[in-house]
Amino acid sequence: ETGVTQTPRHLVMGMTNKKSLKCEQHLGHNAMYWYKQSAKKPLELMFVYSLEERVENNSVPSRFSPECPNSSHLFLHLHTLQPEDSALYLCASSQAQGAAYEQYFGPGTRLTVT
Amino acid sequence: QKEVEQNSGPLSVPEGAIASLNCTYSDRGSQSFFWYRQYSGKSPELIMSIYSNGDKEDGRFTAQLNKASQYVSLLIRDSQPSDSATYLCASQRPMNRDDKIIFGKGTRLHILP
Repeated sequence: ETGVTQTPRHLVMGMTNKKSLKCEQHLGHNAMYWYKQSAKKPLELMFVYSLEERVENNSVPSRFSPECPNSSHLFLHLHTLQPEDSALYLCASSQAQGAAYEQYFGPGTRLTVT
Repeated sequence: QKEVEQNSGPLSVPEGAIASLNCTYSDRGSQSFFWYRQYSGKSPELIMSIYSNGDKEDGRFTAQLNKASQYVSLLIRDSQPSDSATYLCASQRPMNRDDKIIFGKGTRLHILP
């Protein structure tokens, strides 16, 4: 596979469930990101991992828990979510060093919280 | 608050014409700029990046950057119905572990057949 992949592509979960989103990048990058995209809002950065170390946490509620075991894999663990957490969750990757900071996105996970 | 501003649209352009998308940014320290295309229900796709003042051309796309005016634009020549999408503008400071890309809300472009 090439590029950035995400699984699952669609997820419906109840507010008491626990689930995880998975992202994998095949681009040799060493920075990975989680974004949330809701209708009519700009992309909201949730977490950044650079060289496997978390460097950004934009005041995201603790019901979202990221995990980055290595530079190619990123997880987002979800528990006791709220209906307003329903959105498209996007993973992206880039180089952590150098002049360019081009981010490449995965296809996203469409999450619905019931 | 660092921001990237775009007109939300929709911007309607006849097929074959030039579509012009504009973006302004507030952070004077920004040095890298990106245009992403996002089809409905899909993820953003990087189509252009620009780092220096002036024009950068890639096929039917031309990105223009004016740092003095804090202005970025994207021109799409010979617009096609397949160009109908939301276009996201983004800016970023020089590479630093703590600097992140700032995205605009996007402009919806509709190419009229």
